[in-house]
Amino acid sequence: DVKVTQSSRYLVKRTGEKVFLECVQDMDHENMFWYRQDPGLGLRLIYFSYDVKMKEKGDIPEGYSVSREKKERFSLILESASTNQTSMYLCASSLGTLQETQYFGPGTRLLVL
Amino acid sequence: AQTVTQSQPEMSVQEAETVTLSCTYDTSESDYYLFWYKQPPSRQMILVIRQEAYKQQNATENRFSVNFQKAAKSFSLKISDSQLGDAAMYFCAYRRGDGSAGGTSYGKLTFGQGTILTVHP
Repeated sequence: DVKVTQSSRYLVKRTGEKVFLECVQDMDHENMFWYRQDPGLGLRLIYFSYDVKMKEKGDIPEGYSVSREKKERFSLILESASTNQTSMYLCASSLGTLQETQYFGPGTRLLVL
Repeated sequence: AQTVTQSQPEMSVQEAETVTLSCTYDTSESDYYLFWYKQPPSRQMILVIRQEAYKQQNATENRFSVNFQKAAKSFSLKISDSQLGDAAMYFCAYRRGDGSAGGTSYGKLTFGQGTILTVHP
């Protein structure tokens, strides 16, 4: 079974802090994704990566950056956390071939005070 | 840009009954894929069913089936013989095919707003 893990299930941070969310997948997947999930808005893509050190902006990249130094690990960085970044963050990965399924992590619920 | 709309924020069904969740999408592409994902409470999101736009036959996975109406851009999910374990948030999602203009999509998904399904015993 594919396993996608996220470093924290719950996180509380203060406004202005730098926040790191880590995601690791164990199936040698090419593609990795970061989404945020908000009530009434569904999931929105923040950033994705299709290879090591490669990254592309998603639909809502403002206020976020990412890092992919190793194939299995994809980090989401909030340079200076703000209250409007309070949300559920979901990481996903996919193999990289056509019709591939995305496999999701359990999510990190981030509260910025 | 593609959009996916789920107009039912919440739905409920009695155990063993059938329920249909609605999804519409907007795209100018002819090559694309549609998905239903399930997110149980406090558990990871998993794929329920997938439909390729070029296939006329509706996808089926055990008790889950879709009604894919390409011309109407509608993609509904039917759950038959509902079980308590079906209670979850359900998301409809769209992915552009790699043969579309604009090149590879890298598997990016566009999600709808989600529908919370409650199953009553």
